[in-house]
Amino acid sequence: ETGVTQTPRHLVMGMTNKKSLKCEQHLGHNAMYWYKQSAKKPLELMFVYNFKEQTENNSVPSRFSPECPNSSHLFLHLHTLQPEDSALYLCASSQGLGLAFFGQGTRLTVV
Amino acid sequence: AQSVSQHNHHVILSEAASLELGCNYSYGGTVNLFWYVQYPGQHLQLLLKYFSGDPLVKGIKGFEAEFIKSKFSFNLRKPSVQWSDTAEYFCAVNSGGSYIPTFGRGTSLIVHP
Repeated sequence: ETGVTQTPRHLVMGMTNKKSLKCEQHLGHNAMYWYKQSAKKPLELMFVYNFKEQTENNSVPSRFSPECPNSSHLFLHLHTLQPEDSALYLCASSQGLGLAFFGQGTRLTVV
Repeated sequence: AQSVSQHNHHVILSEAASLELGCNYSYGGTVNLFWYVQYPGQHLQLLLKYFSGDPLVKGIKGFEAEFIKSKFSFNLRKPSVQWSDTAEYFCAVNSGGSYIPTFGRGTSLIVHP
């Protein structure tokens, strides 16, 4: 248990579906991140929120839409995904200095 | 932009063998350095970190890493690995002015009993 909780743990969705990934942290951290972990590729930073404000959008396609309603919750809304978007999506949080705590991830499969 | 290179993508060892995983980064200024481990089916967790001070850092489970500034390196070591060390290991760096870590592509370690 890292203090960062992601739901669901597994998700299978069709290319026309709309779904959302949820991340929650109660560590008092001010920064939250979405990373994508694909096989044989480095962890890819997708979005960063600092004090609820989006500070990074790493050229992520618009079919991924983040939302940060407060400093404890982070969502990733998904719509019209492609099979190549299948990956492990990791949420992380930190209180400065890049010392990130990670959730267990959501294993997403797009069919 | 900073980048992180992990040279060994796959490492296979027998139990009790010594381990060294390479990590090099490209940023020339002040850096904070991390090693994360991801056991099969589990979340990424921090093994050790370097912010300042003694460049030889001790982490959990007998791991250590040495920061060599002149070589832009932060290699991970363990004198004697165990089967339970089988995992994916990630090096990460963030430059002094940023709180966002950049990750290497990871090294998959398999330890045979």
